[in-house]
Amino acid sequence: GENVEQHPSTLSVQEGDSAVIKCTYSDSASNYFPWYKQELGKRPQLIIDIRSNVGEKKDQRIAVTLNKTAKHFSLHITETQPEDSAVYFCAAVGVNDYKLSFGAGTTVTVRA
Amino acid sequence: EPEVTQTPSHQVTQMGQEVILRCVPISNHLYFYWYRQILGQKVEFLVSFYNNEISEKSEIFDDQFSVERPDGSNFTLKIRSTKLEDSAMYFCASSESGGVTYEQYFGPGTRLTVT
Repeated sequence: GENVEQHPSTLSVQEGDSAVIKCTYSDSASNYFPWYKQELGKRPQLIIDIRSNVGEKKDQRIAVTLNKTAKHFSLHITETQPEDSAVYFCAAVGVNDYKLSFGAGTTVTVRA
Repeated sequence: EPEVTQTPSHQVTQMGQEVILRCVPISNHLYFYWYRQILGQKVEFLVSFYNNEISEKSEIFDDQFSVERPDGSNFTLKIRSTKLEDSAMYFCASSESGGVTYEQYFGPGTRLTVT
């Protein structure tokens, strides 16, 4: 099955700086890569996703890049704000799959 | 905006007891899922459900577990003879359809504590 690795496990950044989280996946057939944000005590919520026919996608301060050859994808948050503090999970879905295979999560702390 | 709801938010049970976790998916969604997250670990897929039957399950989802859609709105996860290692946050999710086109929306979770 799919195995998703996520790094780093924790990330502390100064407000206004950028944050980058990286994930790798094992199944070359995976073709959908969502990112979820989970604030303390709340449900995971989709913040951005990318499909395998696209190399990069941006939504305001958030961007995701995908390198299919290397089987890795990254989340970039620019101009970080205190409300960006949360746990971020990457995930992958295979072409004939319905389940999300999650990474271990990254706890992001934005220092004011 | 419609949301997935789950009850209870926290369930404490004794080892060996049966528990039923309840979920109400978003009303026009057709695919339903259960995931769990043991404290400090990654979110793990348990089972997906479509058209009143299991479409996929993980190796975690053994005979101890079962799912049911008893009526038009609820989706339940039953855990028989609970063990200490079943303590986790259990998330229900639903999607409009299956596959990579459709976002999975998560419920707020049920924290299960087995003592």
